Amino acid sequence: EAGVAQSPRYKIIEKRQSVAFWCNPISGHATLYWYQQILGQGPKLLIQFQNNGVVDDSQLPKDRFSAERLKGVDSTLKIQPAKLEDSAVYLCASSLAGGPSRDTQYFGPGTRLTVL
Amino acid sequence: AQSVTQLGSHVSVSEGALVLLRCNYSSSVPPYLFWYVQYPNQGLQLLLKYTTGATLVKGINGFEAEFKKSETSFHLTKPSAHMSDAAEYFCAVSDSGTYKYIFGTGTRLKVLA
Repeated sequence: EAGVAQSPRYKIIEKRQSVAFWCNPISGHATLYWYQQILGQGPKLLIQFQNNGVVDDSQLPKDRFSAERLKGVDSTLKIQPAKLEDSAVYLCASSLAGGPSRDTQYFGPGTRLTVL
Repeated sequence: AQSVTQLGSHVSVSEGALVLLRCNYSSSVPPYLFWYVQYPNQGLQLLLKYTTGATLVKGINGFEAEFKKSETSFHLTKPSAHMSDAAEYFCAVSDSGTYKYIFGTGTRLKVLA
């Protein structure tokens, strides 16, 4: 079974530029998550999708971050404009359940973003 | 609000020695608890999880963890460390209301030859 795919794996941009990350969850997984992992910290949830609807985006900085999950499969996370403090690893995860549950989350390899 | 505390941001053990990584949680209801491992430049891989039932949970790569409700702990152990165990380990609790994962800050394990 293929795991969660993410691209690109690494990205270096200058502040005020924009960047987009892509995630393809495990086939059949209804719920998709985006996390931000700053160096030395645990992952922090940014946004959670159930199919193509947003379940929780309470910690997403909506003035600069946006995300979508068209057709309930792939997802894109965008940052515009980027700030220095956005330097982090962005992890995508998916889980099987189509509603609130404690299903195991499976993580992709992440995208390491460096903002100069 | 639920939280997770991992004691020791860095732990060093000799190859062949016991590995003990500590995790304490706060929760007003029976929690779901997880241990994930993260190798350099990789995502998180599930080691093991506790949901209900048996309090001693066995995971991959020889790791196990014991849920102790009275101590609100879920420490991770492995009898004999291997060089390949060097990685960062994260404990997480699934929030009882929203089911969101709340992660600890991680423990970096170093294995000495």
